[in-house]
Amino acid sequence: SQQGEEDPQALSIQEGENATMNCSYKTSINNLQWYRQNSGRGLVHLILIRSNEREKHSGRLRVTLDTSKKSSSLLITASRAADTASYFCATDVVIQGAQKLVFGQGTRLTINP
Amino acid sequence: DVKVTQSSRYLVKRTGEKVFLECVQDMDHENMFWYRQDPGLGLRLIYFSYDVKMKEKGDIPEGYSVSREKKERFSLILESASTNQTSMYLCASSPTGWEFLAKNIQYFGAGTRLSVL
Repeated sequence: SQQGEEDPQALSIQEGENATMNCSYKTSINNLQWYRQNSGRGLVHLILIRSNEREKHSGRLRVTLDTSKKSSSLLITASRAADTASYFCATDVVIQGAQKLVFGQGTRLTINP
Repeated sequence: DVKVTQSSRYLVKRTGEKVFLECVQDMDHENMFWYRQDPGLGLRLIYFSYDVKMKEKGDIPEGYSVSREKKERFSLILESASTNQTSMYLCASSPTGWEFLAKNIQYFGAGTRLSVL
């Protein structure tokens, strides 16, 4: 079963607005990562937050992590048309002795000019 | 920059054919992964490998096999393609070592969109 679930499944906003995506997960994690996927392409790593961190910034990206609620959020500020993509959270877990990344289903973000 | 190259962007095959999807990475990464991506289901792990000639089943290995004869190359094999294997296939790699295990960041290829008719 999927470890991470993103919310919303789709988000459409105007250029310049902020976009917030949420991710919930089920089991203990080592870290949580966010990836971006442009249409028809592979995933690109954006940012990683460790389980002992609560907030992290990278440029226009802000990630928060609440391990008590098993949830994370990704905020993109001052959105641009180029931010149009799908965004996935991925949790780093150990399953049956193997370290794996478990991906959510993604949020499809559309930035309207 | 890390480069993960998948041999084909688009592939059309017939039911029953044997299909090879190739993936090559140029950063000497120990770990390599094959995922399939379907609408509404996200990414699902098919197989992964932590070393040459080593393979481990992921969440959905049925109908697939893999080969890792060289460190840089990880092949996904569909022994007898079926229509339910029509999907986007993504290859990824990641380094190992204590520092990297703490991060486990994966680097992805551009994907192969496979259609089985």
